[in-house]
Amino acid sequence: QKEVEQNSGPLSVPEGAIASLNCTYSDRGSQSFFWYRQYSGKSPELIMFIYSNGDKEDGRFTAQLNKASQYVSLLIRDSQPSDSATYLCAVNPPRGFNKFYFGSGTKLNVKP
Amino acid sequence: NAGVTQTPKFRILKIGQSMTLQCTQDMNHNYMYWYRQDPGMGLKLIYYSVGAGITDKGEVPNGYNVSRSTTEDFPLRLELAAPSQTSVYFCASSYPRDSTRSGNTIYFGEGSWLTVV
Repeated sequence: QKEVEQNSGPLSVPEGAIASLNCTYSDRGSQSFFWYRQYSGKSPELIMFIYSNGDKEDGRFTAQLNKASQYVSLLIRDSQPSDSATYLCAVNPPRGFNKFYFGSGTKLNVKP
Repeated sequence: NAGVTQTPKFRILKIGQSMTLQCTQDMNHNYMYWYRQDPGMGLKLIYYSVGAGITDKGEVPNGYNVSRSTTEDFPLRLELAAPSQTSVYFCASSYPRDSTRSGNTIYFGEGSWLTVV
């Protein structure tokens, strides 16, 4: 079982719609969760992190965490073509050094 | 604001050659990492370091070596390059787990594209 699982996509949404990206993780004790955006040929860049159950909003982005279901999601409101990228979910396990497990990413296409 | 700097950006190696990917960070981060990313795949941890003089293996360490003589530098050595090592390599750094600075997140360099032929 993979530590972090994501649907590889591609997920296609029209411009202006809400894009919903999902991620599940295997270690129930995990405490820190991150969403990274990666444009083709570029390095991952942090969008958001979330530690507590519930929602965390930052501009057009909302991260949602449900520890009981071991589920993290990222909502992108008013999607723009510039949001087209691969979105990586990362999880920080509860013990040991500050290690990050990454999912394989979901490719998002926002159509004009 | 240099952050994490990797060199070279692109390199072509012949099978059996060796090379070193350089990585330096100016954020005074204790932790440094090397990841590889194959096409359409996620990031796999090769090696990591929790401080100068301390390194440990990640998920896919075979064929690689690292050293950490200073806080700033974390070079990755490829010995006897093989086609399976064709990949994009990312160096990254972070604060320790319990730090509340920067959301305890990880910062990446721009990547090094390596092709072994």
